[in-house]
Amino acid sequence: GQQVMQIPQYQHVQEGEDFTTYCNSSTTLSNIQWYKQRPGGHPVFLIQLVKSGEVKKQKRLTFQFGEAKKNSSLHITATQTTDVGTYFCAGYQYNNNDMRFGAGTRLTVKP
Amino acid sequence: EADIYQTPRYLVIGTGKKITLECSQTMGHDKMYWYQQDPGMELHLIHYSYGVNSTEKGDLSSESTVSRIRTEHFPLTLESARPSHTSQYLCASSEAGLSLGYTFGSGTRLTVV
Repeated sequence: GQQVMQIPQYQHVQEGEDFTTYCNSSTTLSNIQWYKQRPGGHPVFLIQLVKSGEVKKQKRLTFQFGEAKKNSSLHITATQTTDVGTYFCAGYQYNNNDMRFGAGTRLTVKP
Repeated sequence: EADIYQTPRYLVIGTGKKITLECSQTMGHDKMYWYQQDPGMELHLIHYSYGVNSTEKGDLSSESTVSRIRTEHFPLTLESARPSHTSQYLCASSEAGLSLGYTFGSGTRLTVV
C-alpha cells in the first residue's frame, strides 16, 4: 500500500533562519496536502498541490510538488516564533480514495 | 457557521468503562474520519465513513466502533476503556470526490486510569 515518509522528524532553528520539511511517497499521488498543528491544537489545512512541478506560495511559505508527483516540500523563509508547530504532509490517491499522512516534522523556533 | 464539533474536550475515565466520543459537522461533508494522535505525533486512522450507513476500519485497531446514521454525526465508542487508549482523538471531515482538505475538530483528550 501507499506509504508517505516525512523528514526530518524534528527541526530546531534560530528565529530568522529558514526551514524545510520533505515528504516522499512510495507511489504516484493525485495530490498532496499540507497541514499545520500548533502545540495543543489540531491540524489545520494549509494548501493542496495537484499539478506536476507545481509551486505555490503563502507569504513566507513555499510549497512544491515534484515532477513525478511522488515528493513534495514545504519551505519557510525567515522563521518566526509563530511558525512553531508540527507540519504534516498528506498524500492522496484518487483511484484508491486513499489519504496517507506523513509522521510530521516538529518545528521549534528559538527567539 | 460551518464547523466540526467534538465533545467532550477532556475526559478522564476508569478502566473498563464504556465511552462514546461525539463528533458532529455542519458542512454537509460526506466523508468523516477518526484519528488517534499522541501529542504532536503521527496521526493514526482508526475509522472512516464515506456516507450514511458506511463505516470502515482504518489502520489502527483500537477496539472501538463507529456509526453513521446521519450525515452530520459520527460518534466513536470504546466498549471497554484501557490505559493504552489514553490519547487524543481527532475527528475530521471532507467533501466527497477529489479531496480538498480535511477539516479537523478540536479533539478529545482521553485519559484512562
